[in-house]
Amino acid sequence: AQSVAQPEDQVNVAEGNPLTVKCTYSVSGNPYLFWYVQYPNRGLQFLLKYITGDNLVKGSYGFEAEFNKSQTSFHLKKPSALVSDSALYFCAVREGVSGTYKYIFGTGTRLKVLA
Amino acid sequence: DTGVSQNPRHKITKRGQNVTFRCDPISEHNRLYWYRQTLGQGPEFLTYFQNEAQLEKSRLLSDRFSAERPKGSFSTLEIQRTEQGDSAMYLCASSLALTDTQYFGPGTRLTVL
Repeated sequence: AQSVAQPEDQVNVAEGNPLTVKCTYSVSGNPYLFWYVQYPNRGLQFLLKYITGDNLVKGSYGFEAEFNKSQTSFHLKKPSALVSDSALYFCAVREGVSGTYKYIFGTGTRLKVLA
Repeated sequence: DTGVSQNPRHKITKRGQNVTFRCDPISEHNRLYWYRQTLGQGPEFLTYFQNEAQLEKSRLLSDRFSAERPKGSFSTLEIQRTEQGDSAMYLCASSLALTDTQYFGPGTRLTVL
């Protein structure tokens, strides 16, 4: 069965510092991995995805994520955090080969960037 | 605006009543998904359509829940005989078959009294 874990409920970081939001996954085949962000009173917005190819994926708003197959991780990173990055971040996975389009989301990590 | 829209945005109902939500996807998107999100949790997959065909349903989707996408455009999600445990945000998303990038609507918040 597919699963996603976001081990931190909240991450605090000072503005200008690098940030990391962690995600680990479990699938039986090749993983398709995604990050979404949710701002208050707004719908989820797509940030980036890994399907195949380069393990470092670049996405919207300066975010990037690194796919690590041996550690089954897909951590979200940004070199320099902005106060406006404060939001709820969700990692998601689906099993790529079986043809299922059932996406499994993590429980979310709240990012707070402090001025 | 050509994003995903959902109606109504809020619904308050009494236990035992039926409710129906509507989702209008981005016009050229052939995949449509329904999720349920409760406080402190990520979205939980309910079902998805490719065009008008419902291809997968979660075990979360009990026999009180039914979803349709009659012409491969808008979709409806109906909950019959609502229970207090059905209180949640119901999210709709759409995507193109080739991209795997989902675009989410603002959600419908259901409160069952």
